[in-house]
Amino acid sequence: GAGVSQSPSNKVTEKGKDVELRCDPISGHTALYWYRQSLGQGLEFLIYFQGNSAPDKSGLPSDRFSAERTGGSVSTLTIQRTQQEDSAVYLCASSSPDRGQPPLHFGNGTRLTVT
Amino acid sequence: DAKTTQPNSMESNEEEPVHLPCNHSTISGTDYIHWYRQLPSQGPEYVIHGLTSNVNNRMASLAIAEDRKSSTLILHRATLRDAAVYYCILSGPNTGNQFYFGTGTSLTVIP
Repeated sequence: GAGVSQSPSNKVTEKGKDVELRCDPISGHTALYWYRQSLGQGLEFLIYFQGNSAPDKSGLPSDRFSAERTGGSVSTLTIQRTQQEDSAVYLCASSSPDRGQPPLHFGNGTRLTVT
Repeated sequence: DAKTTQPNSMESNEEEPVHLPCNHSTISGTDYIHWYRQLPSQGPEYVIHGLTSNVNNRMASLAIAEDRKSSTLILHRATLRDAAVYYCILSGPNTGNQFYFGTGTSLTVIP
């Protein structure tokens, strides 16, 4: 079946512009996560949605970052007034509502370059 | 964050077994141990996870210490395609059901 889909796969933007990154999770997955990965680094947690609960935004690095999840499915990560340090790969993952800490399914990410 | 400690890098010869260690001394009773790997230019890929008992699947085996403070991911026969960064992660109610990735172990497979 279809996996987690992210778009665009690459995005180049000028410093100060706003960008929107999209994530389509696997159908039926209630949990959705956003991570950021800078070059050569591990994954940095950004935000976590679980069903209809309030999202855990504790990983967002500044108020320029926000995310929403509409209808419990598609999610959009928005970065306002982009800075060069925002350049990274942004990864989305989803997981099913099964018991036993089901695994995450990742998309291939959006590579954001801020010039 | 629920902390895990892994070596930064390891090497293995092709077709030999690989044992990737992970220490997680602060693990709580409800934390699951997950392993993911990330190939270049791809998102992480699930490998295996477990709670208390050792686990086997088509990709690997997970050996969990009796006190659960450490675990080992075992690749039975390394291939060149297994060259990747391997992440050991704890997840459960103690971590808010979140998955905190460290820097992982970069595995090099030598032909």
